[in-house]
Amino acid sequence: EDQVTQSPEALRLQEGESSSLNCSYTVSGLRGLFWYRQDPGKGPEFLFTLYSAGEEKEKERLKATLTKKESFLHITAPKPEDSATYLCAVIQGAQKLVFGQGTRLTINP
Amino acid sequence: KAGVTQTPRYLIKTRGQQVTLSCSPISGHRSVSWYQQTPGQGLQFLFEYFSETQRNKGNFPGRFSGRQFSNSRSEMNVSTLELGDSALYLCASSSQQAGLTDTQYFGPGTRLTVL
Repeated sequence: EDQVTQSPEALRLQEGESSSLNCSYTVSGLRGLFWYRQDPGKGPEFLFTLYSAGEEKEKERLKATLTKKESFLHITAPKPEDSATYLCAVIQGAQKLVFGQGTRLTINP
Repeated sequence: KAGVTQTPRYLIKTRGQQVTLSCSPISGHRSVSWYQQTPGQGLQFLFEYFSETQRNKGNFPGRFSGRQFSNSRSEMNVSTLELGDSALYLCASSSQQAGLTDTQYFGPGTRLTVL
């Protein structure tokens, strides 16, 4: 059974303090790893898709990387508006996403 | 393009009742997936429809069912509601071009409260 584990569960940073979120996965034949951002009471917002080890993608202050066993979401010089829960997921079968429990990120001004 | 829309946004029901939730995918998207999100279990896959056919189903009891119409709109139904069915129900759509792993785009969700 495919599994996704995210760490830490919660992370509190000061504005401008860079850090990384981790997503470890066990899957037979990775077809895609996804990162989403979710604000309270809203649906997940798509950030990145990574397909193969060594792949990197960037968007504003976020950069996602992928190895054979884990993915990292690096956040550089975060701002308070980056506060959200960040979700990692792998795809299984026909469009079934298996999600981790998420990392709740808080950026203090 | 308009995003995924879900109706209603909020719903309050009592135990034993049934409920129907609706999802309209992004225009041109033919795959619709449903997920349940709770604080304890996180996001869990319910089922996925493509061209009116259910292709994949998660580990939920038969009280949870769904369907997809010819215009790709989808509904999910929960019968004999239980307190534990209180959750945020999320719909996601993707274009599902043959042979590709497509990104799923989520709607805002329907918050169901069972009393």
